[in-house]
Amino acid sequence: AQTVTQSQPEMSVQEAETVTLSCTYDTSESNYYLFWYKQPPSRQMILVIRQEAYKQQNATENRFSVNFQKAAKSFSLKISDSQLGDTAMYFCAYQGGSEKLVFGKGMKLTVNP
Amino acid sequence: GAVVSQHPSWVICKSGTSVKIECRSLDFQATTMFWYRQFPKQSLMLMATSNEGSKATYEQGVEKDKFLINHASLTLSTLTVTSAHPEDSSFYICSARYGTGNSPLHFGNGTRLTVT
Repeated sequence: AQTVTQSQPEMSVQEAETVTLSCTYDTSESNYYLFWYKQPPSRQMILVIRQEAYKQQNATENRFSVNFQKAAKSFSLKISDSQLGDTAMYFCAYQGGSEKLVFGKGMKLTVNP
Repeated sequence: GAVVSQHPSWVICKSGTSVKIECRSLDFQATTMFWYRQFPKQSLMLMATSNEGSKATYEQGVEKDKFLINHASLTLSTLTVTSAHPEDSSFYICSARYGTGNSPLHFGNGTRLTVT
C-alpha cells in the first residue's frame, strides 16, 4: 500500500519569507500524481499544486513550487513571499492507479506578521 | 470552477439516532465521490468510494451497515450515520472528481457531527 509521510508536524515563518514543507512517499507504481492541499481554519480543502510523476519539470503556481525527486520519492513544497493567508494545515497527497487519494498526516504552518 | 456542496455544515444529534449528510456536485456530473473522516488535528481518512448506480466500496475497518452511502444520481451522494454514538462525532468531508481519473478532486466544505 502507498504511504505518505510528512515528518514535520508544525512550522512557523515570518511574513514575506520563504518556507519549505517536506513530504516523502512510498509506492511501487510508476504512474501517479502528487498533490499539496491546504486546509485553513475554515476546514475547506483547497488544492495548492499538482505534479504528474511522468513529468520531470517541477510544477509551479505563482508563489508555490515543488521540488519533485522521483528517485528519492520526495515531494517538497516551497512557499515564497509567505503571506498571513498562507496560515493553514498543509497535506501532501498521493494518487495512483486506484484513483484514491492517500494523505499524509499534515503540517501546521503559521505565518507570523 | 467545479463546486462541491455539502450539507449540513454542522449537526448535533442524540445517541441512537441517524444523521444524513448530502454531497452535491453543483456544476458537473460526478460518477465517483469519496467520503472522508477527519478527527481533530489529524489527517483525512478515506471511508468509502461512492459510485453512481452501484454499491459503495468501503475501506477496511469501516462498517458499511453503520455508514450507509447512496449515490442516487450523478450529482448527489449521501452518507447516513446510523444509530450514532458519541465516538462517531467527527468531521466528515466529501469530494468529487471533475473529469477523468487524472483530474484533481474537489472537496465539499465538510460536516461537523456531534453526537450527544
